[in-house]
Amino acid sequence: GNSVTQMEGPVTLSEEAFLTINCTYTATGYPSLFWYVQYPGEGLQLLLKATKADDKGSNKGFEATYRKETTSFHLEKGSVQVSDSAVYFCALNPGGGADGLTFGKGTHLIIQP
Amino acid sequence: DAGVIQSPRHEVTEMGQEVTLRCKPISGHDYLFWYRQTMMRGLELLIYFNNNVPIDDSGMPEDRFSAKMPNASFSTLKIQPSEPRDSAVYFCASSFTSTGNQETQYFGPGTRLLVL
Repeated sequence: GNSVTQMEGPVTLSEEAFLTINCTYTATGYPSLFWYVQYPGEGLQLLLKATKADDKGSNKGFEATYRKETTSFHLEKGSVQVSDSAVYFCALNPGGGADGLTFGKGTHLIIQP
Repeated sequence: DAGVIQSPRHEVTEMGQEVTLRCKPISGHDYLFWYRQTMMRGLELLIYFNNNVPIDDSGMPEDRFSAKMPNASFSTLKIQPSEPRDSAVYFCASSFTSTGNQETQYFGPGTRLLVL
């Protein structure tokens, strides 16, 4: 079946530090990959996505590259801010039509000033 | 656009009571999804609809759970009778099909359910 594995949190960094949150997946076919962000008390917001191998998704300084050879979609940001503190979810859509998303467990990111 | 609207935002009820959660998807979206979020199990897909028709309900935990979508602008998730282990945040999401593909799902703010 489909699954997403992401690094356990919480991840605590200082402001302006470099961020990497690892995400690997298992899926049949050619999934689309997503990163969603959840701020306290809110729903999930799409951060970025990639629909095919070697695509790079980017938004708000965050980036992730779809690596089919390593089945990975790691999230990176060069310089984090306190406002980036949130829970980040990696997810996949199996592709080939409409399906629900399969999510990782989420990574809680804490940025200290 | 107002986004996906869910009500109520918070619900506290006693074990055995019926609970109804409501969702209004984004206008024009043809897919609607219900998810449940708990600390132990993370985010789980419960059921989803396409053009108001249930497509996959394999994630619905038990017969106590039921979902309906009587029209394109409204869906309900009902739990009857409710149990403490149903306590969770329930999210509704919607998306639309473009050139045969549906991709980005837009989430509502969620309903936080506590069953005592």
